[in-house]
Amino acid sequence: NAGVMQNPRHLVRRRGQEARLRCSPMKGHSHVYWYRQLPEEGLKFMVYLQKENIIDESGMPKERFSAEFPKEGPSILRIQQVVRGDSAAYFCASARQGTNTEAFFGQGTRLTVV
Amino acid sequence: GESVGLHLPTLSVQEGDNSIINCAYSNSASDYFIWYKQESGKGPQFIIDIRSNMDKRQGQRVTVLLNKTVKHLSLQIAATQPGDSAVYFCAENPSGNTPLVFGKGTRLSVIA
Repeated sequence: NAGVMQNPRHLVRRRGQEARLRCSPMKGHSHVYWYRQLPEEGLKFMVYLQKENIIDESGMPKERFSAEFPKEGPSILRIQQVVRGDSAAYFCASARQGTNTEAFFGQGTRLTVV
Repeated sequence: GESVGLHLPTLSVQEGDNSIINCAYSNSASDYFIWYKQESGKGPQFIIDIRSNMDKRQGQRVTVLLNKTVKHLSLQIAATQPGDSAVYFCAENPSGNTPLVFGKGTRLSVIA
């Protein structure tokens, strides 16, 4: 049973370009969470999705950031017109249920904006 | 706002000794807690969890203690090994359909 798969592992973008981060949850998991982590800091919640629905996006910037989790395929975190401050590690976690259950993380995508 | 915090940012332990990593949480409604281990360049790895109806839970070489009275959580690692060196995060799940809230983390360094 494969774990949470994120790709790419490393992504370099120039300022103004778009970044697309993908997350395939564990088999049987329909809940996906995206977190952002700066060096030497904790994980900051961004968005919580179920299949085809955004449940909570309170941690996601209102502009340039969007997320989806379609019926088929991986969850996508999209950052438009990236700026240097978007450089961070972005982690995805999946869970079988939405609350009070184990959430498993992927290896993350490290975004560098140059 | 609600937050999860850690008492010690760094902890150095001699190999073979026991390690204790502490965590304070502020949301008294939280009813589920998880400890994660994160090695350099990797994603957080699930270690152990505990629900609020329990005070203690044991795994392989790890024990989590929950004190709801003072809103304190601890992770005990027995016979600490060099492979235990990592950053450890506690996370709480406030009641309702809410995501995990993470603390800042404690870096554990094991001295051989």
